[in-house]
Amino acid sequence: NAGVTQTPKFRVLKTGQSMTLLCAQDMNHEYMYWYRQDPGMGLRLIHYSVGEGTTAKGEVPDGYNVSRLKKQNFLLGLESAAPSQTSVYFCASGNPSSVQETQYFGPGTRLLVL
Amino acid sequence: AQKITQTQPGMFVQEKEAVTLDCTYDTSDPSYGLFWYKQPSSGEMIFLIYQGSYDQQNATEGRYSLNFQKARKSANLVISASQLGDSAMYFCAMREGGAGRRALTFGSGTRLQVQP
Repeated sequence: NAGVTQTPKFRVLKTGQSMTLLCAQDMNHEYMYWYRQDPGMGLRLIHYSVGEGTTAKGEVPDGYNVSRLKKQNFLLGLESAAPSQTSVYFCASGNPSSVQETQYFGPGTRLLVL
Repeated sequence: AQKITQTQPGMFVQEKEAVTLDCTYDTSDPSYGLFWYKQPSSGEMIFLIYQGSYDQQNATEGRYSLNFQKARKSANLVISASQLGDSAMYFCAMREGGAGRRALTFGSGTRLQVQP
């Protein structure tokens, strides 16, 4: 059972380059999320999706775009990477029909922007 | 305003002793859930324990228990009989009820180091 997978695990970019992070889940979850984790700040929500074809902004959406063309996949794009986007990115999924439903996290993608 | 506050950046505990990690939260929603996650040095997020706002009893999961004080808006994690493998970052998180994104809001974390 793969759960939530993320590709790639680690990436180095130069300022101005673009890239796409892929998140895939095999649990048939409706909701998917992208978070970033910076030292001393916990996880912060970038974008999320409540179903196939829908996306919405979280707390820190600037500089990122997302797409959810298939239910099982949630893509996070950086059009023009900046050093401030150096972070660890976590994808999560869930079916939060009630507040008690936990989210399932991927292993994270470590991104370094030079 | 911070919705989740973890005031202990780092904690030390001796092996086999108990330790309490603090978490306070802020919400006006009567329906909410509180979660604790463990993040070892390998980086993955591991779900530990959940407490609902309407739960009458404190949650327990093995060596983990949650000291839930609703009036004080605190949800402290208690780890009993600490083990070396408990050394990790610990995050408190909250989900508020109602329709919408149902995302988790995280605190800044506490780094726990268990000493032999």
